[in-house]
Amino acid sequence: DTEVTQTPKHLVMGMTNKKSLKCEQHMGHRAMYWYKQKAKKPPELMFVYSYEKLSINESVPSRFSPECPNSSLLNLHLHALQPEDSALYLCASSQEGGAGDEAFFGQGTRLTVV
Amino acid sequence: QQQVKQSPQSLIVQKGGISIINCAYENTAFDYFPWYQQFPGKGPALLIAIRPDVSEKKEGRFTISFNKSAKQFSLHIMDSQPGDSATYFCAASRTSNTGKLIFGQGTTLQVKP
Repeated sequence: DTEVTQTPKHLVMGMTNKKSLKCEQHMGHRAMYWYKQKAKKPPELMFVYSYEKLSINESVPSRFSPECPNSSLLNLHLHALQPEDSALYLCASSQEGGAGDEAFFGQGTRLTVV
Repeated sequence: QQQVKQSPQSLIVQKGGISIINCAYENTAFDYFPWYQQFPGKGPALLIAIRPDVSEKKEGRFTISFNKSAKQFSLHIMDSQPGDSATYFCAASRTSNTGKLIFGQGTTLQVKP
């Protein structure tokens, strides 16, 4: 199983809502990532978890809150988002998080903030 | 120094032709250079990757050429097919940086039948 599964596939939320994005992998990977991708742009790294500990936070606003409950799961909690936060949110995982580890991406959650 | 510059932004190739996408980087600490392919509505998928101790790597119709002195690398798609139509991203990372990928801006490839 080389899949990274993200739910939901699509999400529409109001600016006052609280929602969560979920990501799951069963490849035994110990590094997991959240990326944000705007249309016709490359993915931008948001967070990296390595062995269930947050190792990189790319100065992401606090309205995005990541959580890694265990080595297979990664959540992104959303609160008080802005319309400009609308994007494709991608989860990825890799073996150890080192350079040269293949990063496997999920299909993403298409988020629309209204 | 953290940037990876990718060109062209878009590319149209006839079926059977060669598609060439180029990337350049500044940071000599980068030691892993993958190429990702992304179809509309899908996440990126690793296509092929190279390390700087190798000047060329070939997998099927896909070849990476790497020029360490020029700090450039390129993707060649031989015998391009309509199914290759997608957006391609080059990327770079360094061992000490927890797998953080620095992506190029992407190239949208259209292969005409």
